[in-house]
Amino acid sequence: KNEVEQSPQNLTAQEGEFITINCSYSVGISALHWLQQHPGGGIVSLFMLSSGKKKHGRLIATINIQEKHSSLHITASHPRDSAVYICAVPHYGGSQGNLIFGKGTKLSVKP
Amino acid sequence: EAQVTQNPRYLITVTGKKLTVTCSQNMNHEYMSWYRQDPGLGLRQIYYSMNVEVTDKGDVPEGYKVSRKEKRNFPLILESPSPNQTSLYFCASKLGSGANVLTFGAGSRLTVL
Repeated sequence: KNEVEQSPQNLTAQEGEFITINCSYSVGISALHWLQQHPGGGIVSLFMLSSGKKKHGRLIATINIQEKHSSLHITASHPRDSAVYICAVPHYGGSQGNLIFGKGTKLSVKP
Repeated sequence: EAQVTQNPRYLITVTGKKLTVTCSQNMNHEYMSWYRQDPGLGLRQIYYSMNVEVTDKGDVPEGYKVSRKEKRNFPLILESPSPNQTSLYFCASKLGSGANVLTFGAGSRLTVL
């Protein structure tokens, strides 16, 4: 059964700063999700990755399968990036059906 | 527009009064799932379905029922709601059983008095 740890729990940054959010898990997986939850409550899927690195605009996600660790980076952060970022992995490793979620990282970017 | 639609978005009810939260997707996704989100506990999976007529328990299935009679719909049924089921509920879907991105509904805030 997988366990997920995210760090930091809370993060305050100044506009323009480079942000890193970390996610570690205990059981080997086939893929990991990064989600973004806006202050209004809606959840958007940012990335699903199984190896290496993915980039979308100012967001970059990396995963190291051997180390059981993933990072989400935000370059040139902006106040609109303020949100809770959540990682999710399969609860029992292989199957993508049963997911377990990290507690989230609350990011606040000040102008 | 490709989307997952949940209804109702907000509901206040009383203990023991059966209710159903509907979830519908228009993307022909095989996989659908329900989650609840509580302060300090984060998101937790209630039930999921890999395809029509196939459902499985997540981490917190007690007090909930689901059905998947057709591909587009995955209703969440609370037969006898209790105050500890007060929560924010999300439905999500994705293509196939493999590693694909999830699409979430807007959420349903349920209060049980």
